Amino acid sequence: QSALTQPRSVSGSPGQSVTISCTGTSSDVGGYNYVSWYQHHPGKAPKFMIYDVDKRPSGVPDRFSGSKSGNTASLTVSGLQAEDEADYYCCSYAGSYTWVFGGGTKLTVL
Amino acid sequence: EVQVVESGGGLVQPGGSLRLSCAASGFTFRRYWMRWVRQAPGKGLEWVANIKQDGSEKYYVDSVKGRFTISRDNAKNSLYLQMDNLRADDTAVYYCATGYCDSNDCYYAFEHWGQGTLVTVSS
Repeated sequence: QSALTQPRSVSGSPGQSVTISCTGTSSDVGGYNYVSWYQHHPGKAPKFMIYDVDKRPSGVPDRFSGSKSGNTASLTVSGLQAEDEADYYCCSYAGSYTWVFGGGTKLTVL
Repeated sequence: EVQVVESGGGLVQPGGSLRLSCAASGFTFRRYWMRWVRQAPGKGLEWVANIKQDGSEKYYVDSVKGRFTISRDNAKNSLYLQMDNLRADDTAVYYCATGYCDSNDCYYAFEHWGQGTLVTVSS
């Protein structure tokens, strides 16, 4: 149950796109299409952004998109806005009703 | 409006116990898997435990097996986490989260989260 690997930080200017990677193993990211992503403003409740690799729950802007290739999942934020500045966490199902999260990525909007 | 509100955190000595509660409202609690997730200071999120809708199945991260017990009371729309034999590395903000279901199915994700309750294990 090792944490998924995410870059510590990414940044972009308003209107640009950024991509956050999330690397696991064949026992989690690579083994299941059950990757989800969460946006977290410190001190607040995390917000559910993506599920099943690339699906958006209702209310999440289509600027947020997910994908996966092999053992690496990615979250792309297009048309960056100031309010997108937050910590982002990936999460993968790891079998037997267990989950593993990534270490988190701080997105800075320059 | 969906709400999940954690309570019960505080300062406890190593080896001590604490019981966290999560009060849920605004949705059909008995329909959802429920989960606990924690975040240690300066660290990322860590899944801690899950419990099935009827409480018949429970799963834990290895580091808390045998020490933590997840439970629920569907009549009270409440989730609990009994934490025994606490260690310094259990210090974290503990979040209650729901599974995710739409009108068709339930999915492997965490939809609604509370703002967390802080547990500090220190002498």
